[in-house]
Amino acid sequence: AQSVTQLGSHVSVSEGALVLLRCNYSSSVPPYLFWYVQYPNQGLQLLLKYTTGATLVKGINGFEAEFKKSETSFHLTKPSAHMSDAAEYFCAVSVREGANNLFFGTGTRLTVIP
Amino acid sequence: GAGVSQSPRYKVTKRGQDVTLRCDPISSHATLYWYQQALGQGPEFLTYFNYEAQPDKSGLPSDRFSAERPEGSISTLTIQRTEQRDSAMYRCASSLWTGEEQYFGPGTRLTVT
Repeated sequence: AQSVTQLGSHVSVSEGALVLLRCNYSSSVPPYLFWYVQYPNQGLQLLLKYTTGATLVKGINGFEAEFKKSETSFHLTKPSAHMSDAAEYFCAVSVREGANNLFFGTGTRLTVIP
Repeated sequence: GAGVSQSPRYKVTKRGQDVTLRCDPISSHATLYWYQQALGQGPEFLTYFNYEAQPDKSGLPSDRFSAERPEGSISTLTIQRTEQRDSAMYRCASSLWTGEEQYFGPGTRLTVT
């Protein structure tokens, strides 16, 4: 079975500060891992994904995440927060076979303080 | 179409009524997914289609929920005899095939009063 835990339903950072959103996963098979972002009144948009290969993956808008198998983590980071980063972020896991439906965490709402 | 579209964007219905939600996927995409997202939760998988085939209905919460994709393009999700606990955002996503990136629509927010 697959599941995702996102620590912190709300995170606030100052503009220009480091963004760190935490995600831990559980999977009985090698996982695919994803981060999605949801802006108000919009659909979920893929930020980045890990499938195989390099464990540090870079996504859009300056975000990156590192797959750490030993820690079962896939934390999302950005060196310097921008006001436009304020949104809700979802971590998700899927398996490598079958439907590949996504198992989502409960989300983290990021607030950027000017 | 250019992106995944869903209609209506908002639906308010009374308990006991039937509702049908529509998803129009990206035209080249074979796979279509339905998710339910309760307030304060992440989306939860309901079902998916490869063209018109529906290999997995395991996420549908009860037999009141059904989905169709008769011509392998547009899909509908029908909830019969709605209950207050059905109130949620219903999200549709499509991908070229299973395992490919999923593109999400804006969702339909259903409120059952």
